[in-house]
Amino acid sequence: AQSVTQLGSHVSVSEGALVLLRCNYSSSVPPYLFWYVQYPNQGLQLLLKYTSAATLVKGINGFEAEFKKSETSFHLTKPSAHMSDAAEYFCAVSDGNLKTSYDKVIFGPGTSLSVIP
Amino acid sequence: DGGITQSPKYLFRKEGQNVTLSCEQNLNHDAMYWYRQDPGQGLRLIYYSQIVNDFQKGDIAEGYSVSREKKESFPLTVTSAQKNPTAFYLCASRPTGRLGYNEQFFGPGTRLTVL
Repeated sequence: AQSVTQLGSHVSVSEGALVLLRCNYSSSVPPYLFWYVQYPNQGLQLLLKYTSAATLVKGINGFEAEFKKSETSFHLTKPSAHMSDAAEYFCAVSDGNLKTSYDKVIFGPGTSLSVIP
Repeated sequence: DGGITQSPKYLFRKEGQNVTLSCEQNLNHDAMYWYRQDPGQGLRLIYYSQIVNDFQKGDIAEGYSVSREKKESFPLTVTSAQKNPTAFYLCASRPTGRLGYNEQFFGPGTRLTVL
């Protein structure tokens, strides 16, 4: 069965510092991986996705993530945090396998990012 | 503009009442989903539908019902059997062409409060 873990339910960084949000997945078949961002009282917005074309994926707002099969990880990074990055971030996995998942998307519990001025 | 709309944005319900949350999309997506979000618990899947007139229970379907009579619409009814319905509800849609490959598109959410 698929699963997603996000280490750290809350992360605080200073403005201008590196952002690192961790995501580890479990999947019996090659996965598709996604990072979403959610601002308060809003829906989720896609930041980036991994679909096996390249292990380093660049997304919107300066974020990127690297797929590491050996570590079953897909950590999200941004070189320099901005105040507007403060939000909830969700990692998600999908394997597109009707037999194992009926094409469901499994979300991690989320990480709340605070940016300190 | 294409997208997903949810209405109402805020909904108040008295105990014992059924309420229906609306979700409409004009993205021509086959798959639609309903999630419940509680603080610190991420998203939990209530129901999902891969095609019109077909839907599947998710992880927390008890006390909820859905219908999928049209491709564009996937309403969620919160029944009186749902013991703790106060939460933020999110609807999403997704094209199904290549299984697993496509991301979900989310609506703005409905916040339900039981009085």
